[in-house]
Amino acid sequence: KQEVTQIPAALSVPEGENLVLNCSFTDSAIYNLQWFRQDPGKGLTSLLLIQSSQREQTSGRLNASLDKSSGRSTLYIAASQPGDSATYLCAVNMNTGFQKLVFGTGTRLLVSP
Amino acid sequence: DAGVTQSPTHLIKTRGQQVTLRCSPKSGHDTVSWYQQALGQGPQFIFQYYEEEERQRGNFPDRFSGHQFPNYSSELNVNALLLGDSALYLCASSGGSLSNTGELFFGEGSRLTVL
Repeated sequence: KQEVTQIPAALSVPEGENLVLNCSFTDSAIYNLQWFRQDPGKGLTSLLLIQSSQREQTSGRLNASLDKSSGRSTLYIAASQPGDSATYLCAVNMNTGFQKLVFGTGTRLLVSP
Repeated sequence: DAGVTQSPTHLIKTRGQQVTLRCSPKSGHDTVSWYQQALGQGPQFIFQYYEEEERQRGNFPDRFSGHQFPNYSSELNVNALLLGDSALYLCASSGGSLSNTGELFFGEGSRLTVL
């Protein structure tokens, strides 16, 4: 059974810092991995999708890496801003052909001005 | 281009009642999945619909059922509501014939409170 763990559970940083969020998964037979952002009480916004054959993806100040063999992914946020405050969720898409996501419990990020 | 839309956004029910939640997928998508997110937890997979049939199901009881219509929109029905069914219900769409990367797109969710 696939299990996804995100560390840390919560993170508080001053504006301008670079930061790294961690995601680990127990079964390396994944199809892809997605990082999402969730604002309080809201839905999920897709940030980055990494296919199992890729090592990293970049979008603006965000960079996600994937090491499938070790079961790890990181989300790097450069020059953090207060608007980045949200919960960040990592989800792995199991290699079942059915696009079923298994989520971690998220990292709650607070960026202070 | 409208994204995934869900209705209603909030609703309150009492134990034992039934509820229907609705979802319209992103334009060009043909697959709809439903997830339940309890407070402080990651979303949990309920089931997925494709070509109007349920093709995979998570660990949820038969009280949870669904339907997909010919226009790819979907409904989630929950019968005999329990207090523990209180959660944010998220719909995700994916698939389609053009550049299908396997990426899922989520709606804003329906917040269900069971009293």
